[in-house]
Parts: sequence; structure tokens; C-alpha cells
Amino acid sequence: DTGVSQDPRHKITKRGQNVTFRCDPISEHNRLYWYRQTLGQGPEFLTYFQNEAQLEKSRLLSDRFSAERPKGSFSTLEIQRTEQGDSAMYLCASSPSGFTGGGEQYFGPGTRLTVT
Amino acid sequence: GENVEQHPSTLSVQEGDSAVIKCTYSDSASNYFPWYKQELGKRPQLIIDIRSNVGEKKDQRIAVTLNKTAKHFSLHITETQPEDSAVYFCAASKVSNYQLIWGAGTKLIIKP
Repeated sequence: DTGVSQDPRHKITKRGQNVTFRCDPISEHNRLYWYRQTLGQGPEFLTYFQNEAQLEKSRLLSDRFSAERPKGSFSTLEIQRTEQGDSAMYLCASSPSGFTGGGEQYFGPGTRLTVT
Repeated sequence: GENVEQHPSTLSVQEGDSAVIKCTYSDSASNYFPWYKQELGKRPQLIIDIRSNVGEKKDQRIAVTLNKTAKHFSLHITETQPEDSAVYFCAASKVSNYQLIWGAGTKLIIKP
């Protein structure tokens, strides 16, 4: 499968615990995005990388959230001291860059986080 | 910042009829407008997109139109089929960063 993959697919954790999610983008895509989606809503942008550089972060991304893409390939999203409000689907997407033909974002299956 | 409004929130059409979903955006600098289809419990899937240098784009039963002056764009689905039932999202972004700002979604129901 050459699409975007995410791991784990589901995570149940207790409030206050730390969790880390992984995203593997399509191999030739140098842009990688993280979104959060709650039931009945559209995805909300969290952050994005061009290669290994984190270029933008949403105000939604509190100090408890951190994302990395150390070698410009896979990315991790960590949430520290989880809260019940963090329960959501965390989606990763990747896209090629370039003025023409770039920008199409392809999504992974998501990681569903439940904080109890 | 950019804001995208999408209407209607729910659309029910008879199988075989056409469906139209409309979105408006606020930032005149936005120049990339994709549409995604999301089935229950699945990932969003890109179905069609349009850039600001084009007024209309068509792919089989799906078409998107863009009116830059009015800052609105629409998705048109013709000859609807049961498998078209899903939630459809519009989005807008700038080519500079492709940070997508999403509409709230339209639940499309195809009645047999």
C-alpha cells in the first residue's frame, strides 16, 4: 500500500497520560499535515511540515502538543497530559509541493483517540 | 483569517437527480479549492479540486464551478447514485502553504 498510513488506528488512554501517534506519508510527498476532527465537524488544521521544517502551527496546538518530522519522512504527534477534550480523530495528510499540480492532500485513515 | 461557509448542512435527493452544494470563502487571496468526500468512519477522499485560474472543472458526473468575484464555489453531482451518500466538505487555501480551511460539511442522502 503506497498511501498515507497512521499508527495506531485506535488509542484509549486515561486522562493525564501521554500519547504519541505516527504518520507515514506517501514517499515522494514533501509536505505533511496534521488535522483533528471531532464527530460531525470538518477537520481542523493543527500543523504542517515542509520536509523536516515545521512551518505553521495552529493556535489550537497548545503547549501540550508537539509534532516532529526528524528526517523529512515520517512524523509523530505527541500529546502530553491528555484531557478529555483531546478525544478526537487525528488525521495526517501528505501532498507534493509545487506551484502547478501540487497541493492535493491525501489523508491517512486516522488515529481515533479516546481519553477516559 | 480565512473562513469557509458551506450550505446546506443536509441534502436529500432522489436517486438519479442532481445535487448542488455551495461554499463561500472570505479571503480573496485563497486560490485553491478542493472538495472531499467522507464516508462514515473513513478518511476524507479528494474527489475534485479547482484553482483560481479556472472557472469550471468536470470529471465524469462531478463538476466544480468557481466565481472569484463573488468568492463562492459549488460542487455539482449529476445522476446521483446510492454510493454518492456521504458527507462532502469544501475547503480553501492559498497555493503558498495549502493550509486547508474547511467548511462544516454537507450530509448528502440519496433516496432510492
